[in-house]
Amino acid sequence: QSVLTQPPSVSGAPGQRVTISCTGSSSNIGAGYDVHWYQQLPGTAPKLLIYVNNNRPSGVSDRFSGSRSGTSASLAITGLQAEDEADYFCQSHDSSLSGNYVFGTGTKVTVL
Amino acid sequence: QVQLQESGPGLVKPSQTLSLTCTVSSDSISSGGYHWSWIRQHPGMGLEWIGYIYYNGNTYYNPSLKSRVTISVDTSENQFSLKLSSVTAADTAVYYCARTNYYGSAGYYFDHWGQGTLVTVSS
Repeated sequence: QSVLTQPPSVSGAPGQRVTISCTGSSSNIGAGYDVHWYQQLPGTAPKLLIYVNNNRPSGVSDRFSGSRSGTSASLAITGLQAEDEADYFCQSHDSSLSGNYVFGTGTKVTVL
Repeated sequence: QVQLQESGPGLVKPSQTLSLTCTVSSDSISSGGYHWSWIRQHPGMGLEWIGYIYYNGNTYYNPSLKSRVTISVDTSENQFSLKLSSVTAADTAVYYCARTNYYGSAGYYFDHWGQGTLVTVSS
């Protein structure tokens, strides 16, 4: 059971913009802890996509952006491409006993 | 580019101990620049952080697994290891090792991952 809730799926046509929400609480995102995002392509390990809310590692497309506000965070993908079809997970710290370094429930992005 | 590779048995019997090793290349655990984590993913499900270790042996575990988990480090081999005791079918998962970037109070993210290894708990 994750303390960070994401929509199970989002979809969009090529070229469109999609957003993925990550909803937490006052013990994690709402407490000011940073949010990080990972992309998991089918059959592969997760890959760091966004760190510390809105920073992209070298080599990650600027079509990906992150934001955080209140008790939630969001990942936006602009100019959606077929290669973006993957699972996306948010991650943060939780100050309760729920596991400290917690991941979101995950969102499957489908390119129509 | 740092690389991590998990190794260990793919099948473990119930009640036994799961043991995995992560070998790190192109980075030195003993440099102290990072922590080193184990993370698992149950089939078709989300990710669960298991715990991390620092080069000096300091560890921190997920409270929900703490009673069964031991993570150790061998800096001479540039490896770190996971032991999970008293396993059940619920421990069947893909296990990943990951380099963990600590940047401040409670600030951690996983910047490089191994390819993962499936461990099945079954008799």
